Amino acid sequence: DAGVTQSPTHLIKTRGQQVTLRCSPKSGHDTVSWYQQALGQGPQFIFQYYEEEERQRGNFPDRFSGHQFPNYSSELNVNALLLGDSALYLCASSLTPSGTYEQYFGPGTRLTVT
Amino acid sequence: AQSVSQHNHHVILSEAASLELGCNYSYGGTVNLFWYVQYPGQHLQLLLKYFSGDPLVKGIKGFEAEFIKSKFSFNLRKPSVQWSDTAEYFCAVNAAGGYNKLIFGAGTRLAVHP
Repeated sequence: DAGVTQSPTHLIKTRGQQVTLRCSPKSGHDTVSWYQQALGQGPQFIFQYYEEEERQRGNFPDRFSGHQFPNYSSELNVNALLLGDSALYLCASSLTPSGTYEQYFGPGTRLTVT
Repeated sequence: AQSVSQHNHHVILSEAASLELGCNYSYGGTVNLFWYVQYPGQHLQLLLKYFSGDPLVKGIKGFEAEFIKSKFSFNLRKPSVQWSDTAEYFCAVNAAGGYNKLIFGAGTRLAVHP
């Protein structure tokens, strides 16, 4: 049973560019959340997708957007990249959006903005 | 605003020493509490969780945590650490009955020396 997978593993982009990160949830999971983990900090919630809609959003600008597909996989898009967007981006999936269900995390995508 | 504070950023212990990692949260409502662990080169994984009931919860690998509501604390303990416990530990909280938006602390990096 595959866990949460993310692609790519590493990515280097230039300021002002756009980036798309991808996530496939654990088998049977229908809810995907995205987190940003800057160096030396804990993960910060970006947003959560359920039934192909953004259900909840953290304190991130509109440059951060996402999508969930009918097969429950998800994309995170970041436009107009800033140096401060350099971080590890984590995807997590769960059985439902309820807070009582465990979130399973993927290995992350390391984004470097130069 | 919701927040989680972890008291120690770095802890160094010898094998067989006892461990206690502090975690305090700020939230104006009922919460679910979690400890996640990230071993070197591995994904974030759930160590233990508290939703309700007995405030002393037991997790994997001999870890336990105690919820003290009056102190807004959820400290992680282990009576005798092993070299394999070397990892980064994150305390997290979400709103009970709400969506699965986790608020993480900054993490505590534990190094256990043989």
